[in-house]
Amino acid sequence: EAGVAQSPRYKIIEKRQSVAFWCNPISGHATLYWYQQILGQGPKLLIQFQNNGVVDDSQLPKDRFSAERLKGVDSTLKIQPAKLEDSAVYLCASRMGTSDTQYFGPGTRLTVL
Amino acid sequence: AQSVTQLGSHVSVSEGALVLLRCNYSSSVPPYLFWYVQYPNQGLQLLLKYTSAATLVKGINGFEAEFKKSETSFHLTKPSAHMSDAAEYFCAVPRWGDMRFGAGTRLTVKP
Repeated sequence: EAGVAQSPRYKIIEKRQSVAFWCNPISGHATLYWYQQILGQGPKLLIQFQNNGVVDDSQLPKDRFSAERLKGVDSTLKIQPAKLEDSAVYLCASRMGTSDTQYFGPGTRLTVL
Repeated sequence: AQSVTQLGSHVSVSEGALVLLRCNYSSSVPPYLFWYVQYPNQGLQLLLKYTSAATLVKGINGFEAEFKKSETSFHLTKPSAHMSDAAEYFCAVPRWGDMRFGAGTRLTVKP
């Protein structure tokens, strides 16, 4: 079974630029999550999708972050414009509807200069 | 709200020594508890999961964790550390369909 795929693995941008991350969850997993992991901290939820609908985006800084999952499969997270404090690893995870176990992708490490 | 607290941001052990990583959950008994491991430059990998079926849970790579209601704890142990165990370990509890993570414990294994 293929795992959660994410790309790119690494991205370096300057502040005020835009960036987008892509995630393809495990096949059949209806729930998809985006987490932000700042160095030295545990992951923090940004947004949760159930199929193509948003379940929870209360922690998403909506003035600069956006995310979509148009067809209920893969998802894109965008930051526009980026700030220095956005430097982090962005993790995507997916879950089957009947399970509490989340499966994580390798993450995208973003550095904002 | 359910949460977990990991005691000790860094733990250092010698190869072959006992590994003990501490996690305490908030007062109400959670239905599930998780330990995840994160190797450098990688995502999180599930180590083990508590589901209330058994208080002692065995995971991958020789790790196990014991759920103790009286101590509100779910500490992770391994009898003999290996160099390949060096990583960041996260305790986590599900909450309303999402996962709340502790701050993590970085395990260093000395030769």
